Amino acid sequence: DIQMTQSPSSLSASVGDRVTITCRASQGISNYLAWYQQKPGKVPMLLIYAASTLQSGVPSRFSGSGSGTDFTLTISSLQPEDVATYYCQKYNTVPLTFGGGTKVEIK
Amino acid sequence: EVQLLESGGGLLQPGGSLRLSCAASGFTFSNYAMSWVRQAPGKGLEWVSSISGSGGNTSYADSVKGRFTISRDNSKNTLYLQKSSLRVEDTAVYYCAKTVAAQVDYYMDVWGKGTTVTVSS
Repeated sequence: DIQMTQSPSSLSASVGDRVTITCRASQGISNYLAWYQQKPGKVPMLLIYAASTLQSGVPSRFSGSGSGTDFTLTISSLQPEDVATYYCQKYNTVPLTFGGGTKVEIK
Repeated sequence: EVQLLESGGGLLQPGGSLRLSCAASGFTFSNYAMSWVRQAPGKGLEWVSSISGSGGNTSYADSVKGRFTISRDNSKNTLYLQKSSLRVEDTAVYYCAKTVAAQVDYYMDVWGKGTTVTVSS
């Protein structure tokens, strides 16, 4: 099965900083990658699908890129409401494996 | 408004059985695959199982294969997860999630609030 590895596992940044999270697949998955945001105590929410397509209603400061095995989620200007754990997920085929998550905090 | 409401969680002993339900509303249930995703306390998300819109195709994580059974009743707009031979490591919040297509291998765009299952002696 394909493994999904996220890095870093956590980060702390200042409001307004550019934040980048990486997700790596152990084998190529084309662009079959989604990103989810889970705020503390809340339900996961879809942010991005097809590696780079923003889900409706998601702020434009979020963006995704990548294809094959290497993907990134970027927050162009970190806001206090972005404090959350972010997960990547592959969906080219089952199992629909999630990455381990990246916890984003405000410095 | 699309809504998913899980129920059936509780406290069980190892080796026990339990059935979770997820009542869906606000969309044509049979047109979409559905999934269960769990989250152990303080841990990340783990995909558990998915079922196609028709119910004819099911998939399971290796960690639950042979112990859990996913099913759906499209006439009742309800998704189920029958769990047996429960283990302590099955303790988690179980989320029901709607997939964006009828096939199982897609991402999830709507999540329920989750139901908590605790397995402990």
